[in-house]
Amino acid sequence: EAGVVQSPRYKIIEKKQPVAFWCNPISGHNTLYWYLQNLGQGPELLIRYENEEAVDDSQLPKDRFSAERLKGVDSTLKIQPAELGDSAVYLCASSLKGNTIYFGEGSWLTVV
Amino acid sequence: LAKTTQPISMDSYEGQEVNITCSHNNIATNDYITWYQQFPSQGPRFIIQGYKTKVTNEVASLFIPADRKSSTLSLPRVSLSDTAVYYCLVGLQGGKLIFGQGTELSVKP
Repeated sequence: EAGVVQSPRYKIIEKKQPVAFWCNPISGHNTLYWYLQNLGQGPELLIRYENEEAVDDSQLPKDRFSAERLKGVDSTLKIQPAELGDSAVYLCASSLKGNTIYFGEGSWLTVV
Repeated sequence: LAKTTQPISMDSYEGQEVNITCSHNNIATNDYITWYQQFPSQGPRFIIQGYKTKVTNEVASLFIPADRKSSTLSLPRVSLSDTAVYYCLVGLQGGKLIFGQGTELSVKP
């Protein structure tokens, strides 16, 4: 069974440029999460979806970050414009409601 | 959500048993205790989850005392490949997970 798939794996962009990350959750998982992980720290939740509905986006910086999960499967996280402080790992995770949460390998962003 | 406290780092040698204890004094009645392992350049990987007493799988054991205010992850006979960061989390099963800084385990030959 395929795990959570994320792309791109690595991305380097200049500040003020836009960037987008894509996530394909485990088949059948209705809950999808985006986490941000800074170096040396644990992951922090940005947004959680139940199917196509964002049920918790309280930690998402909405001035520059946006996310969507239009058909309740794949999801995209966008940053526009990117800032130097956005350099981090963006982790996608999924779960079947009420069960174990599985993470992808992450998308590593470097803003220069 | 209950806050967790765990040691920042631990050292061990190959073949030893490693026990990592996590404190969660404010755990709620419906909360589960979950442990994740994370290697550099990878996403966190689920290790084990429990509610009370003892849970064991092919990778680890989880010991939870009756008051559930702490838990201990036990890794039997660690190898170099067990060097990683281990996170203890408390929350509703399948719900929001709040990560702390984790415990950086270093296994030496």
